[in-house]
Amino acid sequence: QVRLQESGPGLVKPSETLSLTCFVSGGSISGFYWGWIRQPPGKGLEWVGYVFNSGSINYNPSLKSRVTISIDASKNQFSLNVDSVTAADTAVYFCARAASGASCFDHWGPGTLVTVSS
Amino acid sequence: QSALTQPPSASGSPGQSVTISCTGTSSDVGRFNYVSWYQQHPGKAPKLMIYEVNERPSGVPDRFSGSKSGNTASLTVSGLQAEDEADYYCSSYGGGNNFYVFFGGGTKLTVL
Repeated sequence: QVRLQESGPGLVKPSETLSLTCFVSGGSISGFYWGWIRQPPGKGLEWVGYVFNSGSINYNPSLKSRVTISIDASKNQFSLNVDSVTAADTAVYFCARAASGASCFDHWGPGTLVTVSS
Repeated sequence: QSALTQPPSASGSPGQSVTISCTGTSSDVGRFNYVSWYQQHPGKAPKLMIYEVNERPSGVPDRFSGSKSGNTASLTVSGLQAEDEADYYCSSYGGGNNFYVFFGGGTKLTVL
C-alpha cells in the first residue's frame, strides 16, 4: 500500500520561501504523477501542481510564478517550494499520487499545516 | 482560473438518495471525461470516491455513483448512511490543452 507523508516547517515568515517534502513508501515514485494540493483553513481545495519523474511539470497558473515542484527518484520523494509567501498561503498542504493521466489523486498524505506569520 | 460551482450544502435522511451537482464550462467539465469526486471528513485528507465521471476505485461502495451531462457533473449517494456526512469536492481537467486541475468549492452533506 502506497503511503505518503509531508514534512516541513509549520511556520514560515512573510516574504520567505515555504519548503515541503513528501516521502513516498510502499511503492516506487517512478512511473506516476505526483501532486500538491492545499486547503486554507475552513476553505476548499486548491490544486498547486504536479510532476512526473523529471521534465513534465504543470502548475496552477495563479501560482506558477512562485511555485517549484521537483522530484528525487533516488530518495523516493518530491518537493514543493513556494516563494514570497504571504498570509494567503497559510493552508494545510497535501501531497498526493495522481492517477488517470494526472486528472485525479488516489493516494494522499495526511496533510501538514503551514502558517505564514511573523 | 475558474473553480467549479457546487451547492454549499445538501442533506438527506438515512436510506434516502441525494445528488450533488458540479457545474463547469465547455473548457473543463464539458470537454473532458475526467471528472472526479472526493469525500473529506473533518481533519482528514480527501478520499477519491469517483474518477473519470463514473468509475469507482476499489473499496468505494456502489452507493456512490457519478454522471455528467453537458457542463454539469453529478454525484449521487444512495442509501444514505451516517458516515456519509462529510464535505464533497468535485474536480476536473480544464484549461484546454494545459491540463490544469480545477476543484469545486465543496458541498457539505448532512445526514439528518
